[in-house]
Amino acid sequence: DSGVTQTPKHLITATGQRVTLRCSPRSGDLSVYWYQQSLDQGLQFLIQYYNGEERAKGNILERFSAQQFPDLHSELNLSSLELGDSALYFCASSGRANEKLFFGSGTQLSVL
Amino acid sequence: DQQVKQNSPSLSVQEGRISILNCDYTNSMFDYFLWYKKYPAEGPTFLISISSIKDKNEDGRFTVFLNKSAKHLSLHIVPSQPGDSAVYFCAAKGEFTGNQFYFGTGTSLTVIP
Repeated sequence: DSGVTQTPKHLITATGQRVTLRCSPRSGDLSVYWYQQSLDQGLQFLIQYYNGEERAKGNILERFSAQQFPDLHSELNLSSLELGDSALYFCASSGRANEKLFFGSGTQLSVL
Repeated sequence: DQQVKQNSPSLSVQEGRISILNCDYTNSMFDYFLWYKKYPAEGPTFLISISSIKDKNEDGRFTVFLNKSAKHLSLHIVPSQPGDSAVYFCAAKGEFTGNQFYFGTGTSLTVIP
């Protein structure tokens, strides 16, 4: 158990809809990262937050947004969903040394 | 642009033999490298890492080798066990990347009993 909690584990929705994925980092970790894994793709970095503030942005679409709350949990919002957004979304957290990431078990999003 | 590449999508190895997973990177400014292992329906878990000041790091059956001149790292698993069957991702980061970890596309390892 990595200590990172992601909910829900599975999400099935329709095109055009909006969903929210939730992540609770390991106790004490201030950094939260979001990654997307599509078929035959590696882990694509979306966005990182550190102690409530956006720290780095990767290949995140404008239809996607995220935030980190004062209790350090984070939410990834995906809107105007398209079929191509179907993927596994991972959240990860890291400690102050930022030497490695601890991943949650992911949210499998299926857009039908 | 994929800065970290794993060119072998899959690898099959007999139990007890050596598994060698390869990873190439494009930017010489990466200075820290990691391997992660992922089982189905689980998130990736950290396996082993290496700093660019070293060329080898060992942890039990797992050894990572770094060849900076070739921008290449490899993970050796000896002896391979059926429980090692998983997808392996390599990752890299450096000061120039800020806090970002760049991941490869993964290699699916199957260890045949």
